Amino acid sequence: EDQVTQSPEALRLQEGESSSLNCSYTVSGLRGLFWYRQDPGKGPEFLFTLYSAGEEKEKERLKATLTKKESFLHITAPKPEDSATYLCAVQAAGSARQLTFGSGTQLTVLP
Amino acid sequence: DAMVIQNPRYQVTQFGKPVTLSCSQTLNHNVMYWYQQKSSQAPKLLFHYYDKDFNNEADTPDNFQSRRPNTSFCFLDIRSPGLGDAAMYLCATSRELLVQETQYFGPGTRLLVL
Repeated sequence: EDQVTQSPEALRLQEGESSSLNCSYTVSGLRGLFWYRQDPGKGPEFLFTLYSAGEEKEKERLKATLTKKESFLHITAPKPEDSATYLCAVQAAGSARQLTFGSGTQLTVLP
Repeated sequence: DAMVIQNPRYQVTQFGKPVTLSCSQTLNHNVMYWYQQKSSQAPKLLFHYYDKDFNNEADTPDNFQSRRPNTSFCFLDIRSPGLGDAAMYLCATSRELLVQETQYFGPGTRLLVL
């Protein structure tokens, strides 16, 4: 059974304090790993897709990396507007419809 | 802007009273999904449509049904809502039903059952 574990569950940072969120996964034949941002009371907003180990993608203060067992979302010099829950999801081979989500990391950036 | 739209954003219903949630998309995507997300939990896939083909997840309760009258619209019907059905309901779309296709989510409908 595909599993996704995100850590930590919650993270509080001071503005400008860089850190990383972790997404560990167990999946038979990874086809894609997706990062989403979810603000309170809203739907997930797509950030990145990673397809193979060693791949990296960047967007503003966010950088996502992928290994064979986990993905990291690095946040450099975060701002209060980066506060949100960050969700990781994996897609396995032969399962085009199914995204297996982690429970998310709730990030709070204090001014 | 092309997007996924959900109405209403908040819905209050009574225990056992049928309720319908609506989703529309301007992306012209072939696939539409419905997820249930309870507080601080991961979204859980209920079912999806590929064009007009309906696919139910094995553990989706019979109380949940869906309709897709055309490419743009999809509805979630809850026939007899229970207190445990209070949740955020998310609609998502993808261009095709292929691996590596990104799913794009709407803003969600928060359902409260009294």
